[in-house]
Amino acid sequence: EAQVTQNPRYLITVTGKKLTVTCSQNMNHEYMSWYRQDPGLGLRQIYYSMNVEVTDKGDVPEGYKVSRKEKRNFPLILESPSPNQTSLYFCASSPFGRALGELFFGEGSRLTVL
Amino acid sequence: AQSVTQLDSHVSVSEGTPVLLRCNYSSSYSPSLFWYVQHPNKGLQLLLKYTSAATLVKGINGFEAEFKKSETSFHLTKPSAHMSDAAEYFCVVSDTSGTYKYIFGTGTRLKVLA
Repeated sequence: EAQVTQNPRYLITVTGKKLTVTCSQNMNHEYMSWYRQDPGLGLRQIYYSMNVEVTDKGDVPEGYKVSRKEKRNFPLILESPSPNQTSLYFCASSPFGRALGELFFGEGSRLTVL
Repeated sequence: AQSVTQLDSHVSVSEGTPVLLRCNYSSSYSPSLFWYVQHPNKGLQLLLKYTSAATLVKGINGFEAEFKKSETSFHLTKPSAHMSDAAEYFCVVSDTSGTYKYIFGTGTRLKVLA
């Protein structure tokens, strides 16, 4: 089954404790991205990747890191989480040809930073 | 820069009546446009997409949208609302002007009254 898998789905952590949210897709998509969803703000892009070893900042990259060492994986790293990073996070992938195609989303990861 | 405006943050309709969710976009290039639906505590699911083919796009669950370049609009409609349509809906434009981002509207929450 074609899917995007995120882990963990739920996480409560404390300020400053490094954490990684994993994302994996099995559709051989070139494009992957991370979003955070906050009430009233919709989804905002954190980082995106056009292909292996190619990443770029989205609209809200501060406090986050990413890497793309393999085509299927795109982990999101919070080196020193803070309470303002409490949010619902989505990973998504998309085929990329002449234009960006539809996004395929993971189920989301709800993060609480105390 | 590209942008998306969803004109209503909340819409209420009675079951069996038409649904209209409004979306306006700003784009310097020929955009790709999408509507996604998010049911409570779920990920995002594609309803339909416009990628420069037919201007009237049919999607899943009886939804459709019309791309109107002169009005820079991409409104989502459904002839008859069902209780299961209650969800949050997002209009999305993909930016292929060099940044390769997806820009989300802030969402419209649809309430369906019995």
